[in-house]
Amino acid sequence: DQQVKQNSPSLSVQEGRISILNCDYTNSMFDYFLWYKKYPAEGPTFLISISSIKDKNEDGRFTVFLNKSAKHLSLHIVPSQPGDSAVYFCAASNLRGAYKYIFGTGTRLKVLA
Amino acid sequence: DVKVTQSSRYLVKRTGEKVFLECVQDMDHENMFWYRQDPGLGLRLIYFSYDVKMKEKGDIPEGYSVSREKKERFSLILESASTNQTSMYLCATQGSGGYTFGSGTRLTVV
Repeated sequence: DQQVKQNSPSLSVQEGRISILNCDYTNSMFDYFLWYKKYPAEGPTFLISISSIKDKNEDGRFTVFLNKSAKHLSLHIVPSQPGDSAVYFCAASNLRGAYKYIFGTGTRLKVLA
Repeated sequence: DVKVTQSSRYLVKRTGEKVFLECVQDMDHENMFWYRQDPGLGLRLIYFSYDVKMKEKGDIPEGYSVSREKKERFSLILESASTNQTSMYLCATQGSGGYTFGSGTRLTVV
């Protein structure tokens, strides 16, 4: 049973426009969420996180929104750049319980120049 | 910065071979993890360890074992490699908050 879902396997966006990547989860005990970016032949790198006590966290061009009632989070990238082309994974955890993260299946973002 | 080093970037092994994937971290993190990444399946947890000589099964432990004799080193062992274990293997360590991943090992079993 997939507890963290990224329903869009791929997304193409024009350079300069907004990229919106979505993630849904089923476990209401999750209270900490992260986004990772992965280039081919490299390990994932941490991008941004959000705690369940917040509904928004911003870091430069990257903003993560959390809607707890809908069990949904999204990553906004504005403006999108060709270097943002990568696979993006969302991950969720319950910090009061297990320390392991559950990852989504990933969304491949392609930013077109 | 935490550094997580995986000993091999690319490996090709034959079916039935015993395969060792090594991961070393240079910080004093207790938690270490092995994931595999496959297209359409995301990152799936194989095993994790929260202390020396401690290990717990993840979601897909079948066909794998692990060893953690020292805090900085976490090894993944494929007892008898099979073609369905062809994958990208990622080691991660965890301090406060999220993971730091190694660069990955692309294993091909022929």
